[in-house]
Amino acid sequence: DGGITQSPKYLFRKEGQNVTLSCEQNLNHDAMYWYRQDPGQGLRLIYYSQIVNDFQKGDIAEGYSVSREKKESFPLTVTSAQKNPTAFYLCASFRDRAGGYTFGSGTRLTVV
Amino acid sequence: KQEVTQIPAALSVPEGENLVLNCSFTDSAIYNLQWFRQDPGKGLTSLLLIQSSQREQTSGRLNASLDKSSGRSTLYIAASQPGDSATYLCAVFNAGKSTFGDGTTLTVKP
Repeated sequence: DGGITQSPKYLFRKEGQNVTLSCEQNLNHDAMYWYRQDPGQGLRLIYYSQIVNDFQKGDIAEGYSVSREKKESFPLTVTSAQKNPTAFYLCASFRDRAGGYTFGSGTRLTVV
Repeated sequence: KQEVTQIPAALSVPEGENLVLNCSFTDSAIYNLQWFRQDPGKGLTSLLLIQSSQREQTSGRLNASLDKSSGRSTLYIAASQPGDSATYLCAVFNAGKSTFGDGTTLTVKP
């Protein structure tokens, strides 16, 4: 079955440490997105990529970095510059205007 | 800048009731609107997508309508069940990305 796989499901980060969240899709979608969700709040866009080797900052890109070396993969690195990284992170791909979004199951990141 | 509002933020109904969730947006130049369901601690599951040229979509007990001119969409759930309890989010797509509402948390009591 086609879909999006996010790993790990839970991740713990120490202060000052960089961590990378994985997002893989086998849907052959060109566009991929990273969102952050905080308790009781909506989704905020971190980064998105509409094609391989290209990506754009979203609304809250500071303290995050991404790469898009392969169509299937769009990893997100949470750097030590992100002062409040504890949140639920969601990866999504977008087929087209007719197909809409497909989301992964999310990664919950906690700073310890 | 596109803004998406979902009212109410929370809704509690008895089982079997028909209900309507609302989604409003400020910029009517959208390509599509998508409704999602999110269970606690889970990702978003797509329910219905309405393209800008369409007025409604139906899937089982769900019916979503779109009125671009007034900047509104509704999600109608017929004969609600306890398993429908979840947060429902709408998202409008334009200019290469989507804007999400904060969601309506629905509780269906047995």
